[in-house]
Amino acid sequence: DAGVIQSPRHEVTEMGQEVTLRCKPISGHDYLFWYRQTMMRGLELLIYFNNNVPIDDSGMPEDRFSAKMPNASFSTLKIQPSEPRDSAVYFCASSYHGGGQTDTQYFGPGTRLTVL
Amino acid sequence: SQQGEEDPQALSIQEGENATMNCSYKTSINNLQWYRQNSGRGLVHLILIRSNEREKHSGRLRVTLDTSKKSSSLLITASRAADTASYFCAKGVTGTASKLTFGTGTRLQVTL
Repeated sequence: DAGVIQSPRHEVTEMGQEVTLRCKPISGHDYLFWYRQTMMRGLELLIYFNNNVPIDDSGMPEDRFSAKMPNASFSTLKIQPSEPRDSAVYFCASSYHGGGQTDTQYFGPGTRLTVL
Repeated sequence: SQQGEEDPQALSIQEGENATMNCSYKTSINNLQWYRQNSGRGLVHLILIRSNEREKHSGRLRVTLDTSKKSSSLLITASRAADTASYFCAKGVTGTASKLTFGTGTRLQVTL
């Protein structure tokens, strides 16, 4: 398996522009997570899905952020409009919730977003 | 408040020495996991210890869990320069299926 795939790896945009980050989870995994990592705030969970359904979006900072998972193999995180404070590394991770217990999360390489 | 604070925040040792990192948490957990992050990369799972376990080993890694003290430690023996990375503990909190809460991480520097 190729692991979790994220695109783009780097994104530089100007304030006010729309940004879309993409994620392909590991095949067969039923959970997908979006995280944001900054020096100041560390690793923050933004939202996670189970079987394509959003379970907890309490970490989404504000209405400018939205996430979708139209099918088991694809998810997007959109920021509209983007602001300089959104600059961070965004990670996608997936896991398989077998046996009713929390299992290992597999992280993608991340998307480094810079908003000018 | 943060679930799981790592201690120390940064650690610098020489190759061959052992490195110990600690993690504390506040609520009931199903399991606790340790992850490594190399600079500019995603997190990689190292080891998982369940709430009914007290110690686990994996190669040069040894993890302990003390649920009465709500703490865990990660020991890396005979460290190598390649172990230089940030290490995070992540808690599987009871009642939050599959969700992990990550700590702030320990930055480990191993010098030759």
